[in-house]
Amino acid sequence: QKEVEQNSGPLSVPEGAIASLNCTYSDRGSQSFFWYRQYSGKSPELIMSIYSNGDKEDGRFTAQLNKASQYVSLLIRDSQPSDSATYLCAVPGANNLFFGTGTRLTVIP
Amino acid sequence: DAGITQSPRHKVTETGTPVTLRCHQTENHRYMYWYRQDPGHGLRLIHYSYGVKDTDKGEVSDGYSVSRSKTEDFLLTLESATSSQTSVYFCAISEGPTEFFGPGTRLTVL
Repeated sequence: QKEVEQNSGPLSVPEGAIASLNCTYSDRGSQSFFWYRQYSGKSPELIMSIYSNGDKEDGRFTAQLNKASQYVSLLIRDSQPSDSATYLCAVPGANNLFFGTGTRLTVIP
Repeated sequence: DAGITQSPRHKVTETGTPVTLRCHQTENHRYMYWYRQDPGHGLRLIHYSYGVKDTDKGEVSDGYSVSRSKTEDFLLTLESATSSQTSVYFCAISEGPTEFFGPGTRLTVL
């Protein structure tokens, strides 16, 4: 079974700052990684996917992958109060995704 | 929106009663999943389906059964609900390597 570890937080950052969320995974063979955002009382929604080493940018979001260190991160630039949510990291298994427990982010106005 | 609905959205039931949760999708996806989400445990897979009448167990399948008689519907049944099954249940479909979730069902077992 694949393991995905995240710091549960909470992580608090002031509005406009960079939020950095981290995830480590156990299976060196993992080829793809996903970040989901989950607002309180809502379902997880996919916000980023990354398949190769390095950075992938999408608007204010940047996913970073380091396969040698088995580490994937999500950076949120110019954090907004609307970014306050729980962020889940996920890696694919044979038939489903394995999720971390999530990091709760609070952006303080 | 991946065209996934779940019913009911909220349910309160008593220990020992049977409960069935329904997931309905409109886009003909082959794979469907049932997860439960609990504080400190994240999302854990209960059962999944890879086609009509084709299902398999996940990480936390004890006490749950599933059925899929049509592509669009995936049912999760708690044969005799226990308080430990109080949770939020999410249905999901897969599209390539990623998964998309329904709105969830909050189940409380008293």
